[in-house]
Amino acid sequence: AQSVSQHNHHVILSEAASLELGCNYSYGGTVNLFWYVQYPGQHLQLLLKYFSGDPLVKGIKGFEAEFIKSKFSFNLRKPSVQWSDTAEYFCAVNAGGYNKLIFGAGTRLAVHP
Amino acid sequence: GAVVSQHPSRVICKSGTSVKIECRSLDFQATTMFWYRQFPKQSLMLMATSNEGSKATYEQGVEKDKFLINHASLTLSTLTVTSAHPEDSSFYICSARTQREVGELFFGEGSRLTVL
Repeated sequence: AQSVSQHNHHVILSEAASLELGCNYSYGGTVNLFWYVQYPGQHLQLLLKYFSGDPLVKGIKGFEAEFIKSKFSFNLRKPSVQWSDTAEYFCAVNAGGYNKLIFGAGTRLAVHP
Repeated sequence: GAVVSQHPSRVICKSGTSVKIECRSLDFQATTMFWYRQFPKQSLMLMATSNEGSKATYEQGVEKDKFLINHASLTLSTLTVTSAHPEDSSFYICSARTQREVGELFFGEGSRLTVL
């Protein structure tokens, strides 16, 4: 069965620190990969996605993610976080042409001024 | 981006009653909608996939007679929690997919159900 693993459940950073959130998935075939973000009191929204092509994907608000097929990973990065990045981040996988997304457990990021 | 709206955002009901949650795509037609359940500090668990005009497809372990899903139009899907019990208390989130974006979902704001 497909699964998604996010290694960090809680991350606390100071502003301007660099961020990397880990995401690994289990599926050997073609995958579509997503990072969603949920700001406090708001809907889940898409940060970025990977379908094919350049494995380094740039999303909104300065976020990027790198798909490393050999490691089954899709880690999210941002070189310098801001207080407004405080949110919960979910990695999701759509694998094998299936109709649905499988979500990781989420990582709660708190950025202190 | 596309907008998905859920109603109600919060509902409190007595044990044994039924509760209906609506999910609407406001500015696009959604042939497929998904219902997720989120427990505190846990991920979103897919409950069922709802296709317009056909029966919903439920994930393993989800009771279809308890969680009734109807997708009567291209802009509306409903989830009815029948004979609700306290263990059904949770955060229910719907999402919809536009036809043009395979895989990407747009999410509603979620509905928090509390069963007393």
